[in-house]
Amino acid sequence: GESVGLHLPTLSVQEGDNSIINCAYSNSASDYFIWYKQESGKGPQFIIDIRSNMDKRQGQRVTVLLNKTVKHLSLQIAATQPGDSAVYFCAETRNQGGKLIFGQGTELSVKP
Amino acid sequence: ETGVTQTPRHLVMGMTNKKSLKCEQHLGHNAMYWYKQSAKKPLELMFVYSLEERVENNSVPSRFSPECPNSSHLFLHLHTLQPEDSALYLCASSQAPPTYNEQFFGPGTRLTVL
Repeated sequence: GESVGLHLPTLSVQEGDNSIINCAYSNSASDYFIWYKQESGKGPQFIIDIRSNMDKRQGQRVTVLLNKTVKHLSLQIAATQPGDSAVYFCAETRNQGGKLIFGQGTELSVKP
Repeated sequence: ETGVTQTPRHLVMGMTNKKSLKCEQHLGHNAMYWYKQSAKKPLELMFVYSLEERVENNSVPSRFSPECPNSSHLFLHLHTLQPEDSALYLCASSQAPPTYNEQFFGPGTRLTVL
């Protein structure tokens, strides 16, 4: 399943499928990006980050892709599990750290 | 458990009340943040403290008053709030800029203003 960030704030996928959550950022000067996961009743939790000198970074079951040409960021979750159900936020910063600008968020729902 | 705690977790207050939110971080960070999270809206940065000095105040109404007595503690003092101030208030900490460091968030205080 795939979302288009601000235009599709809800993404529903089947357990075991791969998920793709998209985010469009606004400023070409942004140089650091983070994906956060927020479960119900909790604060945002860091998932993975990427700097603007990279176009791909992999973690455990997650991959972040950065396309600076079109100012697009995506989070790929492999073999999505029920525990992945949450709201996912992208965040960008423009000053080599510090103030983060958050996106609206995409709610991921995993069906068993 | 992120190493950032917030109290209380839930707060209901009237428009004439005065209350305070507390945040404590156990990560050795030297920057702390207050965010407001309203339904269906992105996180809004309210205040930033770096090395115990306020470095950012994002046009927040004066009915919100932050205090940072040391690098581990952050308060948000509330008085004469409005119903539209009802939201989840999140505290975060990080190493001070300009390095690349992610912010660690607390669980938030769910505030309801009647």
